[in-house]
Amino acid sequence: DTGVSQNPRHKITKRGQNVTFRCDPISEHNRLYWYRQTLGQGPEFLTYFQNEAQLEKSRLLSDRFSAERPKGSFSTLEIQRTEQGDSAMYLCASSFRTSGGAGYNEQFFGPGTRLTVL
Amino acid sequence: QKEVEQNSGPLSVPEGAIASLNCTYSDRVSQSFFWYRQYSGKSPELIMSIYSNGDKEDGRFTAQLNKASQYVSLLIRDSQPSDSATYLCAVASGSARQLTFGSGTQLTVLP
Repeated sequence: DTGVSQNPRHKITKRGQNVTFRCDPISEHNRLYWYRQTLGQGPEFLTYFQNEAQLEKSRLLSDRFSAERPKGSFSTLEIQRTEQGDSAMYLCASSFRTSGGAGYNEQFFGPGTRLTVL
Repeated sequence: QKEVEQNSGPLSVPEGAIASLNCTYSDRVSQSFFWYRQYSGKSPELIMSIYSNGDKEDGRFTAQLNKASQYVSLLIRDSQPSDSATYLCAVASGSARQLTFGSGTQLTVLP
């Protein structure tokens, strides 16, 4: 399977604990995105990496959230001191930026990590 | 203010009919537009992308784009019960080309 993979698929934690999610993008993709989706809503953008550089962060990404993409391969998203409002599906997507042109950037999503904060 | 709006659902169509899904967006400089299908409890799956004004057909799916009206639509011909899902309209913007999604339209195809 050469798609985007995410682990774990489900995480249940108690309020105040730290959690970390992992995303492995499609191997040749240089762009990696994190989104968050709550029930009944479309995904909301959190942050973006081009190779190993984190180039964009949403206002949704509070200082309790941190993301890394060492060596431009897999990425991790950590949430510190979790709150019940953090309960959501965390989605990772990857794409390949074409050289020149508009870089159309079709994004392919992983299966997501569903976080429940008790 | 929501930047991508989709027609409110749920939408029900009989099997074999045409399902029409609509979307408007506010960012005039957007260049890339996408339709994703999301089954309950699953992640979004890309089904169509469109970048130029006009129609783009792929099998039973046709995407339509009108940049002057800031309008994107998706037609599903010969709808099947397996098409029952939530359809998300997404618009790429910014230097990161991050996607802004609508809230989705839930489609039910009745056998």
